Amino acid sequence: GESVGLHLPTLSVQEGDNSIINCAYSNSASDYFIWYKQESGKGPQFIIDIRSNMDKRQGQRVTVLLNKTVKHLSLQIAATQPGDSAVYFCAELSGKLIFGQGTTLQVKP
Amino acid sequence: EAEVAQSPRYKITEKSQAVAFWCDPISGHATLYWYRQILGQGPELLVQFQDESVVDDSQLPKDRFSAERLKGVDSTLKIQPAELGDSAMYLCASRGPGLSYNEQFFGPGTRLTVL
Repeated sequence: GESVGLHLPTLSVQEGDNSIINCAYSNSASDYFIWYKQESGKGPQFIIDIRSNMDKRQGQRVTVLLNKTVKHLSLQIAATQPGDSAVYFCAELSGKLIFGQGTTLQVKP
Repeated sequence: EAEVAQSPRYKITEKSQAVAFWCDPISGHATLYWYRQILGQGPELLVQFQDESVVDDSQLPKDRFSAERLKGVDSTLKIQPAELGDSAMYLCASRGPGLSYNEQFFGPGTRLTVL
């Protein structure tokens, strides 16, 4: 079946460095792609989304890139902070939200 | 800030027992979702309500799971009987009118452990 997946289960970065979290998807008909952040003991929190007709969208310290040619989505976090430590999920919207498996971001002080 | 409320936060039960989870969405949110999240994986939609009506329950194991939202506000998800494989986080989310499908607000979840 179709799925949204992440390349790496864990990413460890130094505080202040930039982080890049990647995701590969398979459903080219999805309307939106979304990144969620999930901290321990909490539900997923919306970070940023991008429509399928765009290739880049920027937020505060975060940028999402969409490459439809290779069906790849990435989340870039600038100047990573300890508070960014969490599990990050990409999700695609195709009638309903379909989540990938998540990447754990660890920020080293 | 308005939040989705869920209770209990943690539940431990023995297999073959019945369990129930409660969700109170953000006030005014007509759409309510129940998700199951197995450890290390992303959430998977179990059921979607629009007011009191079920919109999508295609992934709900109906032989043992049931969900209701009788007055179109709060909702209950029940499992009877619970099985070992039901151990997971059960998340509730809601969405308000005029918001797109991706603008869902999640509650803190109920962590279920079946022994």
